[in-house]
Amino acid sequence: DIQMTQSPSTLSASVGDRVTITCRASHSISGRLAWYQQRPGKAPKLLIFKASNLESGVPSRFSGSGSGTEFTLTISGLQPDDFATYYCQQYNTFLWTFGQGTKLDIK
Amino acid sequence: QVQLQQSGGGVIQPGRPLRLSCSASGFTFSNYGMHWVRQAPGKGLEWVAAIWPDGRNEYYPDSVKGRFTISRDNSKDTVFLQMNGLRLEDTAVYFCARDSNVMTGYCDFWGQGMQVIVSS
Repeated sequence: DIQMTQSPSTLSASVGDRVTITCRASHSISGRLAWYQQRPGKAPKLLIFKASNLESGVPSRFSGSGSGTEFTLTISGLQPDDFATYYCQQYNTFLWTFGQGTKLDIK
Repeated sequence: QVQLQQSGGGVIQPGRPLRLSCSASGFTFSNYGMHWVRQAPGKGLEWVAAIWPDGRNEYYPDSVKGRFTISRDNSKDTVFLQMNGLRLEDTAVYFCARDSNVMTGYCDFWGQGMQVIVSS
């Protein structure tokens, strides 16, 4: 199985800040990476697919980059709604795996 | 609009079976792969099953293989998760989710989630 490791596990930031979350895969996943946002008690929401493609309706302050085994999610100009938990997910094989999550909270 | 309405959760004793249902609307169900993903209390997301649009191929991680079965009824726009031999560690919120296409592997719409508590 491909293991996905996110860092940091927790991130404290303020409204207006720019933050970056990193996701590393144990093997190359050829850019087949998605990012999700999950608010407490809610279902995950797709933000980005294929490493850097913004899902329809997602604000442009969210961006993704990376290839091979290292990927990043950047949020530029944090808004109050952005304080949530973020997960990466690889879909390069038919055994899909998620990162352990990064909780973004208010400083 | 796309909607996934889940049902069937609850409290169940270890070893007993339970079936979850997820009824879809707002899209052509038979064109999309479907997934189940779970989240144990205070933990992250774990994918547990996937099925192709025609139902011919299914995938599971080792943690549930041989105990869980995903199926679908395209005439009723519904996907199911049959869970047998439930264990305490299967306690989680279970989400159904639509694949973004036939079977890309990432999910663009999710159900509301259904709590399953395995307890004696």
